[in-house]
Amino acid sequence: QQQVKQSPQSLIVQKGGISIINCAYENTAFDYFPWYQQFPGKGPALLIAIRPDVSEKKEGRFTISFNKSAKQFSLHIMDSQPGDSATYFCAASMLGFNKFYFGSGTKLNVKP
Amino acid sequence: DVKVTQSSRYLVKRTGEKVFLECVQDMDHENMFWYRQDPGLGLRLIYFSYDVKMKEKGDIPEGYSVSREKKERFSLILESASTNQTSMYLCAGASSYNSPLHFGNGTRLTVT
Repeated sequence: QQQVKQSPQSLIVQKGGISIINCAYENTAFDYFPWYQQFPGKGPALLIAIRPDVSEKKEGRFTISFNKSAKQFSLHIMDSQPGDSATYFCAASMLGFNKFYFGSGTKLNVKP
Repeated sequence: DVKVTQSSRYLVKRTGEKVFLECVQDMDHENMFWYRQDPGLGLRLIYFSYDVKMKEKGDIPEGYSVSREKKERFSLILESASTNQTSMYLCAGASSYNSPLHFGNGTRLTVT
């Protein structure tokens, strides 16, 4: 049973468009929600993260939107670029625990 | 620059062989992790360690064991490799609870 459900599995966006990836969770004890970006041949790297005390966090073109009541969070990539083409993973963990639960991943392809 | 290094990029082993996957970190991380990555399943935690000689089972520990004799080194052991262990294996380190995971570039293991 997957603790974090991620959609879509794959996404094609035109250059300059907005990419949106969604995640949902059930465990209300989760309190840390990072997103990781993985390029081919590389390990995942932290992109951006949010805690549930805020509803949105923005870093450059990347924004996390968080809906605590719906137990959902999403990654928005504004002005998507071909260099953003990668696989994106959402994750969740609980304060005081070292265990991260990952979504199944979204392969993003930004077409020039 | 922080680094988690996995000794092998690709490995091909035969069914029944004992396999060692090595991971070294130079960030003085307390916590180290082994994940496997499979398409459509995301990253699944095999084992983690929060201190030297300490280990905890993750979500899919069956068929695996680990060793952490020194802080900087965390080894994943497949006691008797099977074809269903063909996968990408990712090692990660983290300095403390809820700290970002720093991943290595992975070892792609094929068991024939």
